[in-house]
Amino acid sequence: EPEVTQTPSHQVTQMGQEVILRCVPISNHLYFYWYRQILGQKVEFLVSFYNNEISEKSEIFDDQFSVERPDGSNFTLKIRSTKLEDSAMYFCASSATTGIVEGYTFGSGTRLTVV
Amino acid sequence: ILNVEQSPQSLHVQEGDSTNFTCSFPSSNFYALHWYRWETAKSPEALFVMTLNGDEKKKGRISATLNTKEGYSYLYIKGSQPEDSATYLCAFKAAGNKLTFGGGTRVLVKP
Repeated sequence: EPEVTQTPSHQVTQMGQEVILRCVPISNHLYFYWYRQILGQKVEFLVSFYNNEISEKSEIFDDQFSVERPDGSNFTLKIRSTKLEDSAMYFCASSATTGIVEGYTFGSGTRLTVV
Repeated sequence: ILNVEQSPQSLHVQEGDSTNFTCSFPSSNFYALHWYRWETAKSPEALFVMTLNGDEKKKGRISATLNTKEGYSYLYIKGSQPEDSATYLCAFKAAGNKLTFGGGTRVLVKP
């Protein structure tokens, strides 16, 4: 069964450093997403991406964050200057349609720890 | 701010027993309700996408119902097995691509 793969599975970074979280969505999917879950809190939406541009973003997704699909297979989330409160599990997801017919396919996450 | 709530937060079920739990969501601007099953250290796995009021969906021993007028969905597990132990997440979809998740119900099936 096709999978969404995320690398790395764990990342520890110093506050103020830049991190790039990588994802390979399912190849024939058109919609791509990043979500995150801070420990003890709900899974929350960050951004959706379609047709090579951001289609929707949350208030969390400020200028510190950016997404890119550099080569038609990878989908990356960059956090420019990490803060302690960015520590969370970050999930990438993809879907073939807009989420009315079938669910999203999630990766197993990258656990980001900012120290 | 959209509020999606799940209850209970956790429950213990004896193997062979049936159980159910709820997801409540806004009754306005409803497009779809997703259910996901999330095992520890794995990725959330889509179970159902429900769109119509009165919808009922089934996958093996797991089924779900939907009431969009009052804003709730039930997930049922019939004859629980240890492999059903997981966190079950519901997620509300309005217009747009964003899913708003509930806090999950953690199910532990005891042999």
